Amino acid sequence: ETGVTQTPRHLVMGMTNKKSLKCEQHLGHNAMYWYKQSAKKPLELMFVYSLEERVENNSVPSRFSPECPNSSHLFLHLHTLQPEDSALYLCASSQMWGGAGELFFGEGSRLTVL
Amino acid sequence: GESVGLHLPTLSVQEGDNSIINCAYSNSASDYFIWYKQESGKGPQFIIDIRSNMDKRQGQRVTVLLNKTVKHLSLQIAATQPGDSAVYFCATGSQAGTALIFGKGTTLSVSS
Repeated sequence: ETGVTQTPRHLVMGMTNKKSLKCEQHLGHNAMYWYKQSAKKPLELMFVYSLEERVENNSVPSRFSPECPNSSHLFLHLHTLQPEDSALYLCASSQMWGGAGELFFGEGSRLTVL
Repeated sequence: GESVGLHLPTLSVQEGDNSIINCAYSNSASDYFIWYKQESGKGPQFIIDIRSNMDKRQGQRVTVLLNKTVKHLSLQIAATQPGDSAVYFCATGSQAGTALIFGKGTTLSVSS
C-alpha cells in the first residue's frame, strides 16, 4: 500500500447528492489534512486533524463535513455542493500537527459538481 | 495575511539546461520551507526542504536556496530532463503554525 490512499479518484455528483471522500494513511502519522486544489490557485487548507481532534477549520462552508474516526482515516462528507466546488481534493498526513514538517499527499479525488 | 507567491507561472527550458524556480514569502516567522513537484493526475511529491538555520541545501540534481533577508526561496534543477516536466510548488511553515502555506505553482516544460 502506498503511504496515503484516497478514494474515489474521480467523482461526479449533482448539487443535491450526498457523497463522501475517503483517505487512509499507512505511515503511522498523527495529523491529517484536507486541501482543495483549484485551477490557477494555491492549495487551500480546509481542515486539520491532530490525533483525531479537529484543530483547524479554515472557514470552510458547512456543506463540507470532515470526520476523523481514528488517526489513520479521514473522510470528507459532501452535500448540496455548488459547481464552484469542483476541484481536486487532496488528503495529506504528517508525523506531527503543525507547519514545520513534510506533508505526505495522496493522489487526490477529482470532484465534478454538475 | 500570510502569502506565498511564485515569480513566474510557467518556465520553458531545453533538456540539459539548468532550471531555476523562484518563490517569495511574506511571513518573517516562517522557519520551514519545502518544494513539491506535481505531475499530471498525481498528488504533490516532496522534492527538498530547508530550515531557516540554513541558506542552502542540496539533493540529487536539486538545490534549494533560502534568503531570509528578502524572504526569497529558489529551487535549482541541474541538467533538466523531460521527466522533470511538472508543476512545482513552494510552501512555508513555522513551528507555531498549523499547516504549510502553499504558493500557486510554476509549470516547468522541458523540451528535448
